[in-house]
Amino acid sequence: KQEVTQIPAALSVPEGENLVLNCSFTDSAIYNLQWFRQDPGKGLTSLLLIQSSQREQTSGRLNASLDKSSGRSTLYIAASQPGDSATYLCAVGGSYIPTFGRGTSLIVHP
Amino acid sequence: SAVISQKPSRDICQRGTSLTIQCQVDSQVTMMFWYRQQPGQSLTLIATANQGSEATYESGFVIDKFPISRPNLTFSTLTVSNMSPEDSSIYLCSVAEGQLGSNTIYFGEGSWLTVV
Repeated sequence: KQEVTQIPAALSVPEGENLVLNCSFTDSAIYNLQWFRQDPGKGLTSLLLIQSSQREQTSGRLNASLDKSSGRSTLYIAASQPGDSATYLCAVGGSYIPTFGRGTSLIVHP
Repeated sequence: SAVISQKPSRDICQRGTSLTIQCQVDSQVTMMFWYRQQPGQSLTLIATANQGSEATYESGFVIDKFPISRPNLTFSTLTVSNMSPEDSSIYLCSVAEGQLGSNTIYFGEGSWLTVV
């Protein structure tokens, strides 16, 4: 059974810092990995999708990497802003139904 | 990308009542799912909503408590029946778009239910 762990569980940083959020998974036989953002009391917004054959994906200030052999993915946020404050979840896809981590709660203060 | 509309976005419900959540997608999708997210927790899959047939429920979830309808490829409803305070959660509709292996998951804005 796939297990997904996200570290750290919470993070508070000053504006402008570069951040790394970590996601690890136990079964490397995955189809893809997707990073989401969730604002309090809201649904999930897809940020980046990495196929199993890919090593990384970039969108604006976000960069996600995938290392299947070690069972790890990182989400890199460059030059963080207060508007980045949210919970970030990774979802590992072994089928159409992904396995979610518990998320990293990020606060970026001015 | 699929755009998903959920309603209600938020509601306060009395214990013992039932509430139906609607999920509308702007395109036809085969795979549609319902999740629950309890306070401070990650997402738990309730069921896969199958068009034209009964939903497929995950362990711990039953049709009597969470009846689901899926009349067509763009619409589904989830009913939370005989609610108790433990049902206070965000309920999320989700779809998978694309071929298996390259599919992207999309979510609605969620329905935040508080049972009093």
